[in-house]
Amino acid sequence: QKEVEQDPGPLSVPEGAIVSLNCTYSNSAFQYFMWYRQYSRKGPELLMYTYSSGNKEDGRFTAQVDKSSKYISLFIRDSQPSDSATYLCAMASGGSNYKLTFGKGTLLTVNP
Amino acid sequence: NAGVMQNPRHLVRRRGQEARLRCSPMKGHSHVYWYRQLPEEGLKFMVYLQKENIIDESGMPKERFSAEFPKEGPSILRIQQVVRGDSAAYFCASSRAGTRLYEQYFGPGTRLTVT
Repeated sequence: QKEVEQDPGPLSVPEGAIVSLNCTYSNSAFQYFMWYRQYSRKGPELLMYTYSSGNKEDGRFTAQVDKSSKYISLFIRDSQPSDSATYLCAMASGGSNYKLTFGKGTLLTVNP
Repeated sequence: NAGVMQNPRHLVRRRGQEARLRCSPMKGHSHVYWYRQLPEEGLKFMVYLQKENIIDESGMPKERFSAEFPKEGPSILRIQQVVRGDSAAYFCASSRAGTRLYEQYFGPGTRLTVT
């Protein structure tokens, strides 16, 4: 079983839709959770990070963590064509909080 | 531009040659990380460096790969005697010192092609 599982998609939605992106993990030592956005042939861009169960909101983005279920989500409200990218979840443990373990990414397309 | 800088952006090497990838961290950052992204695979941690120190190289292949972050100048990832399987995108990330080392910012990557 991989440490981090992420549905690769592709996911296609109309502009304005609410998008839900998810990851599950098996390592209970993970304490820090990040979401990155990666446009084609570019480097990952940090969107959000959180270290506790619950929700964290930043503009149109909401990150949700459920440690009891080992499940994290990223919600995008009012999705825009410019949100079309691959979304990567990443996690780190408390003992090695610099060593990020990534999911393979979900490819999202928002259609105008 | 205060972001993480990597060069070259694209690098083509023949089998057996050496590849040198450079990374300058974001302004104010003193910690550097290298990750590799193989085709159809997620990003994998390779090494964590501070100035003149390798902190964790547990993700580096045991042979042919080395990394450094000298007192002056960029961090360098060096791959000796490249093979086709080394073809990948190599990303550098940086963070501030402190407790939030997971807050990493990535560069644009170097895409290595071995022919």
